[in-house]
Amino acid sequence: DPKIIQKPKYLVAVTGSEKILICEQYLGHNAMYWYRQSAKKPLEFMFSYSYQKLMDNQTASSRFQPQSSKKNHLDLQITALKPDDSATYFCASSQERDWGNEQYFGPGTRLTVL
Amino acid sequence: GDQVEQSPSALSLHEGTGSALRCNFTTTMRAVQWFRKNSRGSLINLFYLASGTKENGRLKSAFDSKERYSTLHIRDAQLEDSGTYFCAAENSGYNKLTFGKGTVLLVSP
Repeated sequence: DPKIIQKPKYLVAVTGSEKILICEQYLGHNAMYWYRQSAKKPLEFMFSYSYQKLMDNQTASSRFQPQSSKKNHLDLQITALKPDDSATYFCASSQERDWGNEQYFGPGTRLTVL
Repeated sequence: GDQVEQSPSALSLHEGTGSALRCNFTTTMRAVQWFRKNSRGSLINLFYLASGTKENGRLKSAFDSKERYSTLHIRDAQLEDSGTYFCAAENSGYNKLTFGKGTVLLVSP
C-alpha cells in the first residue's frame, strides 16, 4: 500500500486559475515537505512543515500556499497559475524535521498550465 | 551556484557489469540520500548516509563529508536497474534536500 498519497496524479489547468494539490502520508511522520521539478531542472525544495507549522519557505511567490488541515496532510494551493508553474510537484515526509531523518517521497503530481 | 554536481549524466551498462555514480558537493553536507526514479516516476529510497558506507544487495554507497562527495556503486547490473538515479544532500540542519540532476542508467542485455 502506498504510504504517501498524492492526488491527482495529473492535472491540467488554464492560466490564471487556482488548483490544490493533495498530499497525505501514512508513515506517522511529523515533518512534511513540498518539492518541485520543472523540465530539465533538479528537484527543488519549496516548503517544510513540522507538527503542522510552516518552518521553511524557499518559494519566492506568495501564489504558493501550503495548507495543513491534519497532522498527516500537507496540501499545496497554487493561485493565479502561470505556464511557468508547469512541473511535477512532490510531497515528502520524515519522522522529524532535523537532519538525520530520512525523507520519503510521494509519486508526484504533474501539473500542466496552458 | 549548484551545490550538488552529479555525474555521469547518462550511463549504459551491459547486464552483469558494474559502475559507479558520483556526487560532488561544493559545500560541506551533513547527510546524503540516494534515490532511483522508477518507470512510474516514483522516487525509491536506496540509501541514507550521514557518514561511511552502506551496502544493500548489489548496491553500495559511500559518503565522505570532509572530502565532499558521495558515490553509488552498482555491481552485476540487471535490466530492472534501469532508471534515473538521484543523489540529494542536506547542509542546513533542517532537512532541506538539494538534489543532483540525476544519472540516467540504461542496462541492456
